[in-house]
Amino acid sequence: EAQVTQNPRYLITVTGKKLTVTCSQNMNHEYMSWYRQDPGLGLRQIYYSMNVEVTDKGDVPEGYKVSRKEKRNFPLILESPSPNQTSLYFCASWGGGALDEQFFGPGTRLTVL
Amino acid sequence: AQKITQTQPGMFVQEKEAVTLDCTYDTSDPSYGLFWYKQPSSGEMIFLIYQGSYDQQNATEGRYSLNFQKARKSANLVISASQLGDSAMYFCAMRGLTDKLIFGTGTRLQVFP
Repeated sequence: EAQVTQNPRYLITVTGKKLTVTCSQNMNHEYMSWYRQDPGLGLRQIYYSMNVEVTDKGDVPEGYKVSRKEKRNFPLILESPSPNQTSLYFCASWGGGALDEQFFGPGTRLTVL
Repeated sequence: AQKITQTQPGMFVQEKEAVTLDCTYDTSDPSYGLFWYKQPSSGEMIFLIYQGSYDQQNATEGRYSLNFQKARKSANLVISASQLGDSAMYFCAMRGLTDKLIFGTGTRLQVFP
């Protein structure tokens, strides 16, 4: 089954404690992206990747890091989480091109105390 | 700059009636894709329908159709014969020649019996 997986699905942590949210896709997609969703703001792109070792900033990259060492994986790293990073996070992948459907993971609900 | 606008924060519709969710967009790209996603209360993002900017006919997928008016830069979603399970958040999105999928702020649809 074609899918994007994320782990964990739910996470409660404290300010400053480094965390990683994993993302993996099994569709051999070139492109992957991370979004955060906040009430009234829709989904905003954090980082995206066009291929292995190629990443670029989205609209809200501050406080986040990513890496793309393998085509299928695109982890999101919060080196020192803060309460304003409490949000719902989505990983997505697609094959490239303006008309390609973007496949989303199930989401990770993060709370930073 | 690219932008998606959804002006209806919330909509109500009676079961079995049709409903239109509005979406306008702004882009200077000659080629782009327009997408609609559904987000039920469980949180996942479900792809519904897409329209390419050069498509002559409006896209349809079952009970969903996209009313594409290029000159007005609008891409409204029409849901026919609403069902209780259609109650959800609906997001309009666009991707142009960049690799970024831009989202609107969403419309929450409530279907009542």
